[in-house]
Amino acid sequence: KAGVTQTPRYLIKTRGQQVTLSCSPISGHRSVSWYQQTPGQGLQFLFEYFSETQRNKGNFPGRFSGRQFSNSRSEMNVSTLELGDSALYLCASSPSTGTGAYEQYFGPGTRLTVT
Amino acid sequence: AQSVTQPDIHITVSEGASLELRCNYSYGATPYLFWYVQSPGQGLQLLLKYFSGDTLVQGIKGFEAEFKRSQSSFNLRKPSVHWSDAAEYFCAVAPSGGGADGLTFGKGTHLIIQP
Repeated sequence: KAGVTQTPRYLIKTRGQQVTLSCSPISGHRSVSWYQQTPGQGLQFLFEYFSETQRNKGNFPGRFSGRQFSNSRSEMNVSTLELGDSALYLCASSPSTGTGAYEQYFGPGTRLTVT
Repeated sequence: AQSVTQPDIHITVSEGASLELRCNYSYGATPYLFWYVQSPGQGLQLLLKYFSGDTLVQGIKGFEAEFKRSQSSFNLRKPSVHWSDAAEYFCAVAPSGGGADGLTFGKGTHLIIQP
């Protein structure tokens, strides 16, 4: 099985712009979660989508949003970028049932740099 | 709120020596427990997981971890490290009863292997 794929891998944006990141989960996985990784804050949960619905949400401002499509692919969007949004954004997919829902398989991430 | 503590930011081990990485969690009930590894520029790879049952769990790449309820710990061990084990290691927890916060990660332990 192919793993989780994320595009693009690297992105440079200017403060105030918006950005969209894409994630394709492992085939058959219906849950997709997004995490932000920074040197200062570590790994922080952004949100989780399941069957095109946001099921869980972390403590991030409304500038961070996401969606999931019927094929389970997911996108996350950050509007009005700030310098502090520079981070590695990781997508993870998981099987949707039982304890499998907690086994998250991560993609390589998208490195976002805001200048 | 649940939390995860990895007391060691950096650990240096000689190749061939044994390894133990510490992880302590704070949570009202027994959570689900995970160890992930991240190589430079890569996403996270699941090493092993604990849901219930046998408190000693085996993972990939020769790693094992032991859940100790009395100490709220889930330490990762390997009897003999290889240079390729150099990476960042993250302990993570998820609420066994379901929850809104995804995985909660520790800050990570950076493992350095000396020749």
